[in-house]
Amino acid sequence: AQSVTQLDSHVSVSEGTPVLLRCNYSSSYSPSLFWYVQHPNKGLQLLLKYTSAATLVKGINGFEAEFKKSETSFHLTKPSAHMSDAAEYFCVVSEAGSYQLTFGKGTKLSVIP
Amino acid sequence: EAGVAQSPRYKIIEKRQSVAFWCNPISGHATLYWYQQILGQGPKLLIQFQNNGVVDDSQLPKDRFSAERLKGVDSTLKIQPAKLEDSAVYLCASRRRTGVDTEAFFGQGTRLTVV
Repeated sequence: AQSVTQLDSHVSVSEGTPVLLRCNYSSSYSPSLFWYVQHPNKGLQLLLKYTSAATLVKGINGFEAEFKKSETSFHLTKPSAHMSDAAEYFCVVSEAGSYQLTFGKGTKLSVIP
Repeated sequence: EAGVAQSPRYKIIEKRQSVAFWCNPISGHATLYWYQQILGQGPKLLIQFQNNGVVDDSQLPKDRFSAERLKGVDSTLKIQPAKLEDSAVYLCASRRRTGVDTEAFFGQGTRLTVV
């Protein structure tokens, strides 16, 4: 069985400061991991994905995430927050051999001017 | 490529009425998902299709919810009768079958309000 825990329901940062959104996963098999972003009244958009190639994954809009198997973590980071980054972020896991997608509960990112 | 299309975008109904949502996935995507997203929560899987067969419907409230995927392409999700707690955004997503590392593409969702 697979599951995802997003450790913070709400993160608030000042514009221009680093962003860290934390995600831990549980998976019986080699997982694929994704981060999606959801802006208000918009659909879910893929930020980046981990697929067992490089452990450091770069995504769109300056975001990146590092897969750490020993810590079962896949934290999302960005060096400098922009106002347009304010949104809800979801960590998603998919096990090898399965097409199920399991979502975390989400982290709401607020960016203060 | 064209994205996942959903309709309607918004729907308001009274409790005990019925409602149907429609989804047209990306062409060639074998896997189709319906998710329910209640305000402030992450999406919860309702049903997953592989072509026109059901892979997982363990969290679908089958006494009131039903879904079908005609000819392995379009899909409809129906609620009958609706309850107040069904108020949520219903998201449809599709994914290519080959490769577990492929991402899912999501539609804009249908926001349902039950009054």
